Amino acid sequence: GNSVTQMEGPVTLSEEAFLTINCTYTATGYPSLFWYVQYPGEGLQLLLKATKADDKGSNKGFEATYRKETTSFHLEKGSVQVSDSAVYFCALNYNQGGKLIFGQGTELSVKP
Amino acid sequence: DTEVTQTPKHLVMGMTNKKSLKCEQHMGHRAMYWYKQKAKKPPELMFVYSYEKLSINESVPSRFSPECPNSSLLNLHLHALQPEDSALYLCASSQAPGQFSPLHFGNGTRLTVT
Repeated sequence: GNSVTQMEGPVTLSEEAFLTINCTYTATGYPSLFWYVQYPGEGLQLLLKATKADDKGSNKGFEATYRKETTSFHLEKGSVQVSDSAVYFCALNYNQGGKLIFGQGTELSVKP
Repeated sequence: DTEVTQTPKHLVMGMTNKKSLKCEQHMGHRAMYWYKQKAKKPPELMFVYSYEKLSINESVPSRFSPECPNSSLLNLHLHALQPEDSALYLCASSQAPGQFSPLHFGNGTRLTVT
């Protein structure tokens, strides 16, 4: 079946450090891929998306590239801020009536 | 600010109570969703409405009853809940129920069952 695997957290970084959160997926076809972010006490916000191989999604300094050959969609940011502290979810959507398959989430804590 | 509005933000109810959660969107989206999220876990899908018809029920117990009165509104009626049903309930919407339409989430209702 379809699934998403994310690196385990929590991840703790200093401000201005480089961020990578690994995400790999298993799917029988060509899913759409998403990164969502959840700040404390809030719902999920769409951070970025990619709908086909080699697409690069980007938003607010975050980037992720849909790599079909490695079935990956790793999230990167060149310089994190304290305000980026949140839980990040990788997700896929493939031909299931809109049903999102989520990874387990990665908690990021950025220290000043 | 989220474009999917959920009310109430917090709800405390006893196991014999009946209550409803409400969700509203004005983006013209034709698919709406209910998710349940426990602490430090990803959201779990409960129901999907597509063009105001229930299209997916993820084997949710009958004490949860969804309703979609029109394309902008989604309700979740609660009755005889258990303490283990305490969670964050998230509503979401998308342009259509396909794989290319991202979901837009509300901020959720934090439910406590006593």
